[in-house]
Amino acid sequence: EPEVTQTPSHQVTQMGQEVILRCVPISNHLYFYWYRQILGQKVEFLVSFYNNEISEKSEIFDDQFSVERPDGSNFTLKIRSTKLEDSAMYFCASRLTSQPQHFGDGTRLSIL
Amino acid sequence: TQLLEQSPQFLSIQEGENLTVYCNSSSVFSSLQWYRQEPGEGPVLLVTVVTGGEVKKLKRLTFQFGDARKDSSLHITAAQPGDTGLYLCAGTETSGSRLTFGEGTQLTVNP
Repeated sequence: EPEVTQTPSHQVTQMGQEVILRCVPISNHLYFYWYRQILGQKVEFLVSFYNNEISEKSEIFDDQFSVERPDGSNFTLKIRSTKLEDSAMYFCASRLTSQPQHFGDGTRLSIL
Repeated sequence: TQLLEQSPQFLSIQEGENLTVYCNSSSVFSSLQWYRQEPGEGPVLLVTVVTGGEVKKLKRLTFQFGDARKDSSLHITAAQPGDTGLYLCAGTETSGSRLTFGEGTQLTVNP
């Protein structure tokens, strides 16, 4: 069964450094999402992306964050200057029109 | 901002028992999904409900969407140790929009 794949599974970065989290959505899906889950907290929406532009973003998704679909398969989340509080699991999701979202296994981001 | 409240937060039962997990909100959702999440993995979709009053069954799991589309429940019959995991409800306010997640219910089924 097709699945969303995320790399790396674990990323350790020094505070202030840039980090790029990568996702390969399910191949025929059109809508793409990033969520995060801080340890012990609920899953929170960050941003949605459709037709090569952001369609919705949360208050968490500030100027330090950006998303890109550089080619036909990858969907990336960049954090420009990481902070300690960015440590979390980051989940990518994708879906077809009028279908539910399917999630990857996440990237655990640890900021030191 | 829409909120989804799940209860109970933790549930530990013996194999063979029945259980119900609740997901409640003061807001109306266009659809509601139930996911199951294992440690170190992403949420895995179990079911989507879209119509008020809708009931869906997945083997021993029964999902119900409230008539007003503000609440949902997950009932497991004759729970097994393999049912152990984190169960998440998540709703969309309008079709295709962001998912709002509940806090999750950590279920442990003891042999």
